[in-house]
Amino acid sequence: AQTVTQSQPEMSVQEAETVTLSCTYDTSESNYYLFWYKQPPSRQMILVIRQEAYKQQNATENRFSVNFQKAAKSFSLKISDSQLGDTAMYFCAFMKYQGAQKLVFGQGTRLTINP
Amino acid sequence: EAQVTQNPRYLITVTGKKLTVTCSQNMNHEYMSWYRQDPGLGLRQIYYSMNVEVTDKGDVPEGYKVSRKEKRNFPLILESPSPNQTSLYFCASSSWSSYNEQFFGPGTRLTVL
Repeated sequence: AQTVTQSQPEMSVQEAETVTLSCTYDTSESNYYLFWYKQPPSRQMILVIRQEAYKQQNATENRFSVNFQKAAKSFSLKISDSQLGDTAMYFCAFMKYQGAQKLVFGQGTRLTINP
Repeated sequence: EAQVTQNPRYLITVTGKKLTVTCSQNMNHEYMSWYRQDPGLGLRQIYYSMNVEVTDKGDVPEGYKVSRKEKRNFPLILESPSPNQTSLYFCASSSWSSYNEQFFGPGTRLTVL
């Protein structure tokens, strides 16, 4: 069974700073997807970024980028030039490449961006 | 607008009173699933469906039922709710052709007294 661990329950940074959220996972699969989801106070689940395990290049979406270390089973999210609107709960998630499209989530990290 | 809808958004009920949370998607997605979110545990899958009339258990199925009679709908049924089912529930859908991106509904906050 796959597990996802987020070891930082809460983080807080000043606006415009860069922040990195950590995520590690455990799997015996060789092909899979990794995701970061954002959950603002509205509770809506919003996909931030996706990484396919077979791609060596780290995914980037505007101010959001990941550091994917497959051998270490690590998948951190970096938010550059943080904004007040980035305040949210962030979830790391794993999905196998084939079969049932089941997301396995970490516990979440509550990120607060202070003005 | 492509979306996943859930109803109700908020529900307070009492132990043992059967309830149904509806989920509907308008994207013709084959795959639908239900998750529950609890503090410190993230989201956990309850049930999933890979197509009409095909459903299977997720990680925490006890106390829940589902059905998939139509492609667009995937209701979650709690036949005899208990306080430990107080949680935030999400429905999600995806297509095999969408690179496994799951689209989430807005969530249903359920309180069982």
